[in-house]
Amino acid sequence: KAGVTQTPRYLIKTRGQQVTLSCSPISGHRSVSWYQQTPGQGLQFLFEYFSETQRNKGNFPGRFSGRQFSNSRSEMNVSTLELGDSALYLCASSLEQGFGGEKLFFGSGTQLSVL
Amino acid sequence: AQSVTQLDSQVPVFEEAPVELRCNYSSSVSVYLFWYVQYPNQGLQLLLKYLSGSTLVKGINGFEAEFNKSQTSFHLRKPSVHISDTAEYFCAVRPSNDYKLSFGAGTTVTVRA
Repeated sequence: KAGVTQTPRYLIKTRGQQVTLSCSPISGHRSVSWYQQTPGQGLQFLFEYFSETQRNKGNFPGRFSGRQFSNSRSEMNVSTLELGDSALYLCASSLEQGFGGEKLFFGSGTQLSVL
Repeated sequence: AQSVTQLDSQVPVFEEAPVELRCNYSSSVSVYLFWYVQYPNQGLQLLLKYLSGSTLVKGINGFEAEFNKSQTSFHLRKPSVHISDTAEYFCAVRPSNDYKLSFGAGTTVTVRA
């Protein structure tokens, strides 16, 4: 069974640009969560999608948005990039909504660098 | 709201020596606790979890952790580390009445020969 797949693996953008990250969950998983990981900050929860609907949202500005498609694949978009958006963005999937922790499976992440 | 504090950001250790990674949390409700490991260029993997029952939990790769409710701690230990244990370790907490995970800032373990 394939794991959680995130593309691209690396991205380099400049300030003011926008970026779209993709996440394909494990087959059969319907929930996708996104996290931002920065050195010294750990992981910060961005949002969770289940059945194409955003179910939960962290404390990030509106420049961060996402969506989920009918096949459970999810995309995350960041508009008007800032230097502070440089981070590893991790996606995690689970079978159902709300399995926080014990049933989360993480992808390898997309490393975003904003210059 | 809950929060997680990992008391050490970097832990250098020699191969075959023991290691302890400290994690403290604060929460107004009962919690579930987790340790994750992130190897270089990989995502997070669940090492072990405490949901209920015995306060000493054993995980993969010889790791164990002890839940101490009075001290609100969940320290991770391994009696003898290997070079392959070099990784970043994250403590996480979830309140029993919610499903949002809160992560600590992480502890980087570097094992040297």
